[in-house]
Amino acid sequence: KNQVEQSPQSLIILEGKNCTLQCNYTVSPFSNLRWYKQDTGRGPVSLTIMTFSENTKSNGRYTATLDADTKQSSLHITASQLSDSASYICVVRLGGSQGNLIFGKGTKLSVKP
Amino acid sequence: KAGVTQTPRYLIKTRGQQVTLSCSPISGHRSVSWYQQTPGQGLQFLFEYFSETQRNKGNFPGRFSGRQFSNSRSEMNVSTLELGDSALYLCASSLGLAGESYNEQFFGPGTRLTVL
Repeated sequence: KNQVEQSPQSLIILEGKNCTLQCNYTVSPFSNLRWYKQDTGRGPVSLTIMTFSENTKSNGRYTATLDADTKQSSLHITASQLSDSASYICVVRLGGSQGNLIFGKGTKLSVKP
Repeated sequence: KAGVTQTPRYLIKTRGQQVTLSCSPISGHRSVSWYQQTPGQGLQFLFEYFSETQRNKGNFPGRFSGRQFSNSRSEMNVSTLELGDSALYLCASSLGLAGESYNEQFFGPGTRLTVL
């Protein structure tokens, strides 16, 4: 079954600290993997998109990694800010003509002062 | 450029009624996808329209339907509402098909539907 699992479900960190969010998937065939940030009450915003040949991609303080062999991805946030408080959603696209997107349930991150 | 807009933002309906939600994509975007988001299930894909044709469909019952107009605006309809249909309904637009690499999706703010 095509699934995307994220951990932890929720995380609380202090402002200025780093954190890493995990995403494991069993999607096959694989096309690409995306990380989204969703603030409360708003739609998700894309952070990164990676294909199987890319193993690291950065967007400011956000760095995503992808290991296509172990089917794992991580999102590392450096020097966290209060505005990083949000849900982070991992999404994997199926390969092939249909190309449906499979969503993880997200990690809820709270950054405290 | 204006972002993706969705109307209405909030809606309250009763069981058995039907509802129509509207989505206006970013100018020039030809793909519109619809998602249901609930606390328990997260984001779930409903369907995607591209150039007025449904290209992909998720695992939802036939009560959920949609369409896209020639100006790329899209509507989603849910008939015979059930309590479990209460959710945030998000639409997203992209230049090309949503799943293709580097076709970034831009989400709207969503419509919060409550079924009583």
